[in-house]
Amino acid sequence: DIVMTQSPTSMSISVGDRVTMNCKASQNVGSNVDWYQQKTGQSPKLLIYKASNRYTGVPDRFTGSGSGTDFTFTISNMQAEDLAVYYCMQSNSYPWTFGGGTKLELK
Amino acid sequence: QVTLKESGPGMLQPSKTLSLTCSFSGFSLSTSGMVVSWIRQPSGKSLEWLAAIDWDGDKYYNPSLKSRLTVSKNTSNTQVFLKITSVDIADTATYYCARRPGGPRKGYFDYWGQGVMVTVSS
Repeated sequence: DIVMTQSPTSMSISVGDRVTMNCKASQNVGSNVDWYQQKTGQSPKLLIYKASNRYTGVPDRFTGSGSGTDFTFTISNMQAEDLAVYYCMQSNSYPWTFGGGTKLELK
Repeated sequence: QVTLKESGPGMLQPSKTLSLTCSFSGFSLSTSGMVVSWIRQPSGKSLEWLAAIDWDGDKYYNPSLKSRLTVSKNTSNTQVFLKITSVDIADTATYYCARRPGGPRKGYFDYWGQGVMVTVSS
């Protein structure tokens, strides 16, 4: 199985901060990485697909980049409503696998 | 409007078979490229992909659980089912179904159900 390692596991942030988190794949997954946001008590929500494509309606403060084994997800201007856990997921090969998540908390 | 909703028993005993249903509207699983998948999440933990079925009836399973999983769909392509045999406490989780248009390789999970919590306990 491809292991997706996310870092950091948690971040203490302030509104307005620029937030960057990483996802490293144990094998080359091309650009087949998506990013999901999960708020407490809710289902995951798609933000970025295929590494760098913003899904419909997602604010442009969310961006993704990377290919191969190293991927980055950035929130350019953190808002209070962005407090959540963020997961990367690879769909390059079965079984599709998720990272352990990065939790954003208020400082 | 696309919606998905999972349903299940809530609680069941170890060694039993878990049967889950994903009922959806706003799209058809008969549409070329459409996939519906099952994903689960133990409380406080990450997500685990379990299985998927596509518009052509092809099925995909997580090898770690494959011997225990069966995914299927109804003939009207409005429901997807998942059976997990011989459950144990480690199967306690919230189970989600999610839609994946564009095919298994090119798609992404754009709509998710609200999830159904399943507890395995004696």
